Amino acid sequence: EAGVAQSPRYKIIEKRQSVAFWCNPISGHATLYWYQQILGQGPKLLIQFQNNGVVDDSQLPKDRFSAERLKGVDSTLKIQPAKLEDSAVYLCASSLRPVGGELFFGEGSRLTVL
Amino acid sequence: QKEVEQDPGPLSVPEGAIVSLNCTYSNSAFQYFMWYRQYSRKGPELLMYTYSSGNKEDGRFTAQVDKSSKYISLFIRDSQPSDSATYLCAMSGLPGANSKLTFGKGITLSVRP
Repeated sequence: EAGVAQSPRYKIIEKRQSVAFWCNPISGHATLYWYQQILGQGPKLLIQFQNNGVVDDSQLPKDRFSAERLKGVDSTLKIQPAKLEDSAVYLCASSLRPVGGELFFGEGSRLTVL
Repeated sequence: QKEVEQDPGPLSVPEGAIVSLNCTYSNSAFQYFMWYRQYSRKGPELLMYTYSSGNKEDGRFTAQVDKSSKYISLFIRDSQPSDSATYLCAMSGLPGANSKLTFGKGITLSVRP
């Protein structure tokens, strides 16, 4: 069974530029998550989708971050404009059920903002 | 006070040692307790899963949950160099306001051959 796919693996941009990350979850997983993991910290939930609807985006900085999950399958996370403090690994995860289930993570997209 | 606090690291032990990793939490609504293992430059992977209180054993790994003390632990017996990774505790409540999975900061373990 294929795991969660993410791209690109690495991205370096200047501050105020924009960047987009893509995620394809495990087939059949209705719930998709984007987490931000800053070096030395645990993952922090940015947004959770159930199919193509948003369940929780309370910690998403909506002035600069946006995410969509068209057709309830793959998803894109965009940052525009990027700030230095956005340097982090952006992890996508999926699960069969929205609460209490195992999360399957991708390898992450590492962003460096200069 | 953060919702989930994890013992600071890093931790270095010799091969064969027993390792104890701990987390405390403040939200009494948490019901699902997990330990994820994260190798360098990889995503976290689920290691142990416990619902509510009690112990769970899987090979060399034992997870304990004490809801009365709001304290969870992961024990690794006969630690191996392949156990060298960052260990993240994570927990969530039932569907509703506390259903978001909240992670600790993680502790980096190094097992010396």
